[in-house]
Amino acid sequence: GAGVSQSPSNKVTEKGKDVELRCDPISGHTALYWYRQSLGQGLEFLIYFQGNSAPDKSGLPSDRFSAERTGGSVSTLTIQRTQQEDSAVYLCASSLATGIPGELFFGEGSRLTVL
Amino acid sequence: QQPVQSPQAVILREGEDAVINCSSSKALYSVHWYRQKHGEAPIFLMILLKGGEQKGHDKISASFNEKKQQSSLYLTASQLSYSGTYFCGTSTSGGGADGLTFGKGTHLIIQP
Repeated sequence: GAGVSQSPSNKVTEKGKDVELRCDPISGHTALYWYRQSLGQGLEFLIYFQGNSAPDKSGLPSDRFSAERTGGSVSTLTIQRTQQEDSAVYLCASSLATGIPGELFFGEGSRLTVL
Repeated sequence: QQPVQSPQAVILREGEDAVINCSSSKALYSVHWYRQKHGEAPIFLMILLKGGEQKGHDKISASFNEKKQQSSLYLTASQLSYSGTYFCGTSTSGGGADGLTFGKGTHLIIQP
């Protein structure tokens, strides 16, 4: 497809389990962002990739959260030992820009529910 | 640091005007505006760069005062389709060193 693709669209897990969320950006987009959106809340910045490197990972809430990007394309956000407060929609966005953030194209998100 | 948006919510009649404000405690390089409808992904509206510019398309425009580290989004003669949550995002670097940080959003409801 032409847009940002995220999987899974929905994930229900038990507290303490690890989860992986995947983002496939628009082809050719060098910048990739992860955000978290809790019910009725804003877009909480998690991490930003430029190519395979992450110049800004200041938003990762704890060391249980990690993300990687390989080949300058697909990115995976991993949450270890999930907690109930991790429940949220995780949005990925990509952008063509290499300097200032350009137009971000968002995926539909992965809804995570931790029981 | 997260920019602050005001108001948190506003309810208008179709045809009325609205202003949404965004302010930061940090020096800004760029301000970005997005709109999100319920259950959908955010959609890009516009970017404003350092230099105090003003931009607009159709009946939606925005200004950026870099000295005050503030931006305002103006919606004139609002339409039902304008309903949604508006987010401002800010970047402090022009070199791609930092990500885009969004405010908590302003909920806009347009009634017929």
